Amino acid sequence: DAGVIQSPRHEVTEMGQEVTLRCKPISGHDYLFWYRQTMMRGLELLIYFNNNVPIDDSGMPEDRFSAKMPNASFSTLKIQPSEPRDSAVYFCASSFWDYTDTQYFGPGTRLTVL
Amino acid sequence: SQQGEEDPQALSIQEGENATMNCSYKTSINNLQWYRQNSGRGLVHLILIRSNEREKHSGRLRVTLDTSKKSSSLLITASRAADTASYFCATVETSGSRLTFGEGTQLTVNP
Repeated sequence: DAGVIQSPRHEVTEMGQEVTLRCKPISGHDYLFWYRQTMMRGLELLIYFNNNVPIDDSGMPEDRFSAKMPNASFSTLKIQPSEPRDSAVYFCASSFWDYTDTQYFGPGTRLTVL
Repeated sequence: SQQGEEDPQALSIQEGENATMNCSYKTSINNLQWYRQNSGRGLVHLILIRSNEREKHSGRLRVTLDTSKKSSSLLITASRAADTASYFCATVETSGSRLTFGEGTQLTVNP
């Protein structure tokens, strides 16, 4: 298996622009997680899905952030409008059983908002 | 909020030496996991230890769990330069619904 795939790997955008991050989980994994990593706040869980349904979105910072999972092999995290404080590395991860299980991380998307 | 806290924040050793990192947490847990992150990469799972287990091994890695002290340790034996990375503990609280990561220990192994 190719592992968790994320795109793009790097994104540089201007404040106010819409940003869309993409993730393809490992085939057969029922859980998908979106994390954000910054020096100040460490690794934070933003949202996770089970069988394409959002289960816990309490970590989504504000309404500018939205996430969807239209099918078992694709998810997006959208920021609209983006702000400089959104600059971070965004990781997608997937697991087979549930949130207690081993999580497999993608390589991340480094987002810079100017 | 952070559930696990790693100690030390940074550790620098020579190749061949053993490295020990500690993790403390606040509430009762379902399991505790250790992950490694190389610079600029995603996290890689190392070991998962359940609350009813006390010790697990995987190659050069040894993890212990003391639920009475709410702490865990990760021991890397005979370290190599390639072990240079950040190491994170992550916990699943028995009353929770997510995996919560600590702030990590930055390990540097000097050749």
